[in-house]
Amino acid sequence: NAGVTQTPKFRVLKTGQSMTLLCAQDMNHEYMYWYRQDPGMGLRLIHYSVGEGTTAKGEVPDGYNVSRLKKQNFLLGLESAAPSQTSVYFCASSSGIGGTGELFFGEGSRLTVL
Amino acid sequence: EDKVVQSPLSLVVHEGDTVTLNCSYEVTNFRSLLWYKQEKKAPTFLFMLTSSGIEKKSGRLSSILDKKELFSILNITATQTGDSAIYLCAHTGAGGTSYGKLTFGQGTILTVHP
Repeated sequence: NAGVTQTPKFRVLKTGQSMTLLCAQDMNHEYMYWYRQDPGMGLRLIHYSVGEGTTAKGEVPDGYNVSRLKKQNFLLGLESAAPSQTSVYFCASSSGIGGTGELFFGEGSRLTVL
Repeated sequence: EDKVVQSPLSLVVHEGDTVTLNCSYEVTNFRSLLWYKQEKKAPTFLFMLTSSGIEKKSGRLSSILDKKELFSILNITATQTGDSAIYLCAHTGAGGTSYGKLTFGQGTILTVHP
């Protein structure tokens, strides 16, 4: 009964390094999302996907790339990490149009860029 | 651009008080408005509202949507210390450039003192 699983849960990077956050869901959901959360900022949408092979930009996409090659996975990449990308990252999924609208969240990934 | 604004940003009350949290939104193609509660980790789902004027209730929490004036409120009666959390409002888009997009507000931090 995994739901939405994010890996890794913690990571420390140096400025300029690259990394990939992996999100996997086992609920056969169509929609998947990546958010970042900073103190006092709520959740800000980075990128999202409404189906396998599709991606779209959210509010704060710069410095990030995503891929949805398989329906169950949504990858978030940082090509050249910057201190401004220090944040908690949440992945979420939903069944999409026609569903309840409820988002199911992963537990979050805390990224620190030095 | 799709936008969600919550007020107040923070609120401190005592147990037993009633609170009203506000959420106003702008969206190109509105589909639904959602409320979430976030304690230590990932947000948890409270309500989804799609129709104007219909109140959703769950115990001491209730919410209503006004699609004409583009806002929603979340009421919590007889507050308890366990209600201390960040309350997040979000809307989903139904079509065009908003299709599948789920945008959050910055959240209201509620603190309930014994």
